[in-house]
Amino acid sequence: DQQVKQNSPSLSVQEGRISILNCDYTNSMFDYFLWYKKYPAEGPTFLISISSIKDKNEDGRFTVFLNKSAKHLSLHIVPSQPGDSAVYFCAGNTGNQFYFGTGTSLTVIP
Amino acid sequence: NAGVMQNPRHLVRRRGQEARLRCSPMKGHSHVYWYRQLPEEGLKFMVYLQKENIIDESGMPKERFSAEFPKEGPSILRIQQVVRGDSAAYFCASSPRGAVGQPQHFGDGTRLSIL
Repeated sequence: DQQVKQNSPSLSVQEGRISILNCDYTNSMFDYFLWYKKYPAEGPTFLISISSIKDKNEDGRFTVFLNKSAKHLSLHIVPSQPGDSAVYFCAGNTGNQFYFGTGTSLTVIP
Repeated sequence: NAGVMQNPRHLVRRRGQEARLRCSPMKGHSHVYWYRQLPEEGLKFMVYLQKENIIDESGMPKERFSAEFPKEGPSILRIQQVVRGDSAAYFCASSPRGAVGQPQHFGDGTRLSIL
């Protein structure tokens, strides 16, 4: 049972433009949502999180939006940079458990 | 300022052998999580441990898999009598405490290949 889904396996964006990565979830008990970035042959690196009681959290070029009624969250990266090219995972957290999506591979074209 | 250290980075085993994967958490972190990533899939939670205790092993297969986090030394994920389907990347993550929403720090993983 996939409680967190990332339906877009890949995304290409021009440098300087906005990247929008999407994530849907089914478990309404999630307390937090987190985004991680992963380069090949490395472990995921934490990017940004949002509490389920918030609808927006911003950190520099990264903003996460949460729409609880739609059970949807998105990560906005603006402006996108070539170094942002990586696989992005969203995760839902409840208690001890973290449920990860399958990832979206972002390519930022110089 | 060492991060989460996993070793070996690559491990090759023949069917029926045992695989031992090690994870040293970040300094000051007493909570360890193990995940498995199969090809083309996301990370799947396996087990959550604190020092000397298994807190949640609901994601771990009931047979052949075990995990420990002793008082001294690294956390160990042990897979007995490996099969082809065990081929995957295994990631360890640590956090200073287990509170909800605490981001985890990941190691670079162990890639297990079963011949």
